[in-house]
Amino acid sequence: AQKITQTQPGMFVQEKEAVTLDCTYDTSDQSYGLFWYKQPSSGEMIFLIYQGSYDEQNATEGRYSLNFQKARKSANLVISASQLGDSAMYFCAMRGYSGAGSYQLTFGKGTKLSVIP
Amino acid sequence: EAQVTQNPRYLITVTGKKLTVTCSQNMNHEYMSWYRQDPGLGLRQIYYSMNVEVTDKGDVPEGYKVSRKEKRNFPLILESPSPNQTSLYFCASSLRYRVSNQPQHFGDGTRLSIL
Repeated sequence: AQKITQTQPGMFVQEKEAVTLDCTYDTSDQSYGLFWYKQPSSGEMIFLIYQGSYDEQNATEGRYSLNFQKARKSANLVISASQLGDSAMYFCAMRGYSGAGSYQLTFGKGTKLSVIP
Repeated sequence: EAQVTQNPRYLITVTGKKLTVTCSQNMNHEYMSWYRQDPGLGLRQIYYSMNVEVTDKGDVPEGYKVSRKEKRNFPLILESPSPNQTSLYFCASSLRYRVSNQPQHFGDGTRLSIL
């Protein structure tokens, strides 16, 4: 079974500083995908970044980067130069094989990030 | 515009009164799924569908039904809602079910309150 652990229920960061949101995962699969989603207070789920288990380089998307350490089974999200609009709930998720040719998406419990002016 | 549309966005109803939350996507996606989000628990998958007429249980299927008669639609049915089904519900879709690098596109959510 797949499991995602986000150990930080809430975090604060000063505007313009960088912040790292932790995510560890557990799976016996060799092929899987790791995702981060942002959920602002308005409630929608916004896809941020993806990392494949076979990707050798860490994924980057603008101010977002994913610090992927496969041996440690961690996929931390780094947000550089935080902005007030980054205040939101952040979810780490993993997509792995769930049988019958299907890939299931499993979410962590989320980290609430608050950016301080 | 590519999107996943859920309706209604908000619903307050009473125990035992059957309800349906609709979900439609216009991206010709194979894979669709339903999640519920509860405080402190993150998102948990209720049901998913790999294609038309192919559905399977997720982690928390009890009390829910789904159907996939057309590729674009994946309604969630609560035959006899109970207060413990009060939650925020998301429908999501992705292009292919076999590929692990497909991000899921989410609807805007349905906030359901069962009194």
